[in-house]
Amino acid sequence: EVQLLESGGGLVPPGGSLRLSCAASGFIFSNYAMSWVRQAPGKGLEWVSTISGSGRSTYYADSVKGRFTISRDNSKNTLSLQMNSPRAEDTALYYCAKDGANPWTPSDYWGQGTLVTVSS
Amino acid sequence: QLVLTQSPSVSASLGASVNLTCTLSSGHSNYAIAWHQQQPEKGPRYLMKVNNDGSHSKGDGLPDRFSGSTSGAERYLTISGLQSEDEADYYCQTWGSGTRVFGGGTKVTVL
Repeated sequence: EVQLLESGGGLVPPGGSLRLSCAASGFIFSNYAMSWVRQAPGKGLEWVSTISGSGRSTYYADSVKGRFTISRDNSKNTLSLQMNSPRAEDTALYYCAKDGANPWTPSDYWGQGTLVTVSS
Repeated sequence: QLVLTQSPSVSASLGASVNLTCTLSSGHSNYAIAWHQQQPEKGPRYLMKVNNDGSHSKGDGLPDRFSGSTSGAERYLTISGLQSEDEADYYCQTWGSGTRVFGGGTKVTVL
């Protein structure tokens, strides 16, 4: 059974930093691309970032490019999102999602999310 | 620019059928999309991928009353025999050229 468990959310001041993690199980982690998707309160889903199975290729939404960094540790089956210089508009529930064998396939499993609040 | 357009809401009676539409922006009518369901207070659930030829591949355990189809730049999700647990937000998603995009979502209300 595929399981994705996000952690690391919380309250962070504007301009601070926060690191989100996603522990994956139930599939061969290194064989699949992974993504972060967020949902602001009362709003729809917004793609944040995607990383290939090897970790060599990364992709970002324009709204976070240069501030957020996606990474993965295939030896620990863990996906991460380093959030630097967050802004109030980054406040959202952040979901980890498993993609297909390459980054240009649907997200076919989702976690339950971790809440990030950016506020002073 | 790659954009997906969805109607904000639709309502239908218990046991009826409902057809959700996701429209691809100009120049992208050959893209595949995926449908995701988000029940209240839950994380999203992948439903299916719908290709430009109308073929579709469903996620694990998805009931047969969910189906997908295509017409030009429009991708459809049809839910037959609506049940109370189908009341949810439904999002379409597509990908390409270094980006991924979600539609704004359609809220399905079961009367």
